[in-house]
Amino acid sequence: RKEVEQDPGPFNVPEGATVAFNCTYSNSASQSFFWYRQDCRKEPKLLMSVYSSGNEDGRFTAQLNRASQYISLLIRDSKLSDSATYLCVVPSGNDYKLSFGAGTTVTVRA
Amino acid sequence: DAGVTQSPTHLIKTRGQQVTLRCSPKSGHDTVSWYQQALGQGPQFIFQYYEEEERQRGNFPDRFSGHQFPNYSSELNVNALLLGDSALYLCASSFLSGRANEQFFGPGTRLTVL
Repeated sequence: RKEVEQDPGPFNVPEGATVAFNCTYSNSASQSFFWYRQDCRKEPKLLMSVYSSGNEDGRFTAQLNRASQYISLLIRDSKLSDSATYLCVVPSGNDYKLSFGAGTTVTVRA
Repeated sequence: DAGVTQSPTHLIKTRGQQVTLRCSPKSGHDTVSWYQQALGQGPQFIFQYYEEEERQRGNFPDRFSGHQFPNYSSELNVNALLLGDSALYLCASSFLSGRANEQFFGPGTRLTVL
């Protein structure tokens, strides 16, 4: 089983819509989780950190379900600028190594 | 406040050659990690350096080696290049005593092996 698995998408949604996607992880000992955003041919940028049951930042909400070992990301009122690949990230190996999912591609259309 | 910087931005090499990539961490950061990102995949952890020593290593062969300098900057060396080494190489910096593993990435070096 892969350490981190994500819905690959692509999710193609109209402006203003809500989109949500999941990520599952294998290391039950993981305590912190991250969502990174990556634009085409650019570096990943930290979008949100999750240290407890969830986190909310504006239009973005991350929820953590430790029992089922998954994290979700929900984007409300989608903007064109939200079009990107969203990477689910889980620390492993004594928290030094970050394990990335393959990414979920979201395209917001006008 | 300068973020993470990497050089060069692009590089073209041929099979069998050697390459050195460079990274300067974000100001105040003391830990540098290197990742390889193939097209369509998430970044894969190569190794991490702290206090000039390799602290942890991912599943990469010994052809991949690195170094960290006293000013916290780092180099990634790849010997005997293979076609499959073509990828975006990302450097990420963090502060050891900071929140667990909030790492900040540089723009990457895009390596093409012909």
